[in-house]
Amino acid sequence: EIVLTQSPDFQSVTPREKVTITCRASQSVGTNLHWYQQKPDQSPKLLIKYASQSLSGVPSTFSGSGSGTDFTLTITSLEAEDAATYYCHQSSSLPLTFGGGTKVEIK
Amino acid sequence: EVQLVESGGGLVKPGGSLGLSCQASGLTFSNAWMSWVRQAPGKGLEWVGRIKSKTAGGTTDYGEPVKGRFTISRDDSKTTLYLQMNSLKIEDTAVYYCTIDWGAAGLGYWGQGTLVTVSS
Repeated sequence: EIVLTQSPDFQSVTPREKVTITCRASQSVGTNLHWYQQKPDQSPKLLIKYASQSLSGVPSTFSGSGSGTDFTLTITSLEAEDAATYYCHQSSSLPLTFGGGTKVEIK
Repeated sequence: EVQLVESGGGLVKPGGSLGLSCQASGLTFSNAWMSWVRQAPGKGLEWVGRIKSKTAGGTTDYGEPVKGRFTISRDDSKTTLYLQMNSLKIEDTAVYYCTIDWGAAGLGYWGQGTLVTVSS
């Protein structure tokens, strides 16, 4: 099983500040790494697929990078509506696995 | 617009059984791979299992915690996905989400989830 380790677990951020979330895989997943946003009391939403491809409608402030075992989700300028928990997810091999999540709070 | 609507959640005793459904619309369901993902209260996401489209073999795969106890099936004529859960344990308590599984491209759409509580 591929283990995904996210850091940090929690981040409290001022609006317009930059946010960086990392996800490390226990073995290479190529670019089969995806990012989800889950707002309180909502279901998760796919933001970025294949490490760096933003889904339609995702604000340009969100970007992803990385390949192999090290990945990053960046929010260049945090807005209040971005308060959520962010999860990475690998589809390289079964079982599909998720990172533990990073909760982003607005200061 | 793609919509996934789960139903069937509720309270069940340990050792009991429960069946969930997921009604899909807005897509060619017969071509879709589907996965169930669960989230225990206050916890992260856990993949339960997947069923491929019939053209891809219609095969199923499961996460280790549910293997042998849960069964995923589909009825393409009703555009409905199912999750039959047997021998339920307290640790199966979670919100269960139905998702459209894009294979290598991730889980593209999610339903609103249905809560399953296993408690005596």
